[in-house]
Amino acid sequence: DVKVTQSSRYLVKRTGEKVFLECVQDMDHENMFWYRQDPGLGLRLIYFSYDVKMKEKGDIPEGYSVSREKKERFSLILESASTNQTSMYLCASSLGGEIYEQYFGPGTRLTVT
Amino acid sequence: GQQVMQIPQYQHVQEGEDFTTYCNSSTTLSNIQWYKQRPGGHPVFLIQLVKSGEVKKQKRLTFQFGEAKKNSSLHITATQTTDVGTYFCAANDYKLSFGAGTTVTVRA
Repeated sequence: DVKVTQSSRYLVKRTGEKVFLECVQDMDHENMFWYRQDPGLGLRLIYFSYDVKMKEKGDIPEGYSVSREKKERFSLILESASTNQTSMYLCASSLGGEIYEQYFGPGTRLTVT
Repeated sequence: GQQVMQIPQYQHVQEGEDFTTYCNSSTTLSNIQWYKQRPGGHPVFLIQLVKSGEVKKQKRLTFQFGEAKKNSSLHITATQTTDVGTYFCAANDYKLSFGAGTTVTVRA
């Protein structure tokens, strides 16, 4: 069964803290994605990766970085958390090549105070 | 990224009625995907449309891709309470660009 897991369902951090969000998939997918979801804005792509050690900026990369050292793991890093980064963060993965369906993790609700 | 507009943002439907949600782009799309997110859940893939004018059905759901490949629609017949959730279209432009979604509520 396809599975994407995220390290936390809920996270509360203080302004200025460094935050790590972890995502692991067990489907041997090449592609992995990080989105944030805010009411009325849909899903906005932060970063994505089509291969190990490869990363590309999405539509809203400012304030974020990513790391993909292993195929199954894709980490999102908030170098210095700010209140406007309070959001739902969703990780997804898909097969490589053409744009195939994406499988999403359960999400991490991050609150920055 | 590619912009896709979804309308309406909210859809309140009487159980048993039909409704349609639309996804529009100003540019030609190579293909489009639809996802459903139940309240408190994560998006789940429904379907992908690739060909101009393509129509696909999944039980009470009918998906259509426009002839010019600039718009798509999702039509649900005989709405049930299980249809509650947010429906997203996502345009394929090397990466997926999601619309803002249509949130559906159902009156029993």
